[in-house]
Amino acid sequence: DAGVTQTPRHEVAEKGQTIILKCEPVSGHNDLFWYRQTKIQGLELLSYFRSKSLMEDGGAFKDRFKAEMLNSSFSTLKIQPTEPKDSAVYLCASSFHWGPYEQYFGPGTRLTVL
Amino acid sequence: QQQVRQSPQSLTVWEGGTTVLTCSYEDSTFNYFPWYQQFPGEGPALLISILSVSDKKEDGRFTTFFNKREKKLSLHIIDSQPGDSATYFCAASAIWGNEKITFGAGTKLTIKP
Repeated sequence: DAGVTQTPRHEVAEKGQTIILKCEPVSGHNDLFWYRQTKIQGLELLSYFRSKSLMEDGGAFKDRFKAEMLNSSFSTLKIQPTEPKDSAVYLCASSFHWGPYEQYFGPGTRLTVL
Repeated sequence: QQQVRQSPQSLTVWEGGTTVLTCSYEDSTFNYFPWYQQFPGEGPALLISILSVSDKKEDGRFTTFFNKREKKLSLHIIDSQPGDSATYFCAASAIWGNEKITFGAGTKLTIKP
């Protein structure tokens, strides 16, 4: 079975640009999560979808971060406009809603904003 | 508000030794406690998990202990190997409620040969 796929693996953007990160969850999974990982803040939840419905949009991340799930097999995370403080690894994860509850993570996209 | 506290931040153990990582949590609705392992350049992967109805779960060299009264859990790695060098995250979730997982800050473990 294919795991979670994330593209691109690396992204370099200029401050103010718009970037779109992509995620394909494990086939059949109901829940999809976007996280941001930094050494200082650790793993922070950005968005949470249940059966394509947005359950949580990450509070403080609302203004410039927008996640969408167009269908059950594809999700995007748009950051607009990017700022240097957005430099981090962005992780996508998916799981079955009714168990088992293991979240399967993708390899992440490393974003650098100059 | 940090709902899951993890310690230590980093740890070095000699090969063959026993590693102990600890976590505490605050939310009494948490009932599912996974531990994730992350190698550089990869996403975290589930290592072992425990439900609040149990106090111990073992998987090979890895054992997790859960203390509901004290709201604490721990991960023990016996016969630690250099391949165990990774960052370990404890986490907590309220399954059958809001299933999002709250992660601890992580422990960077180094096993020295």
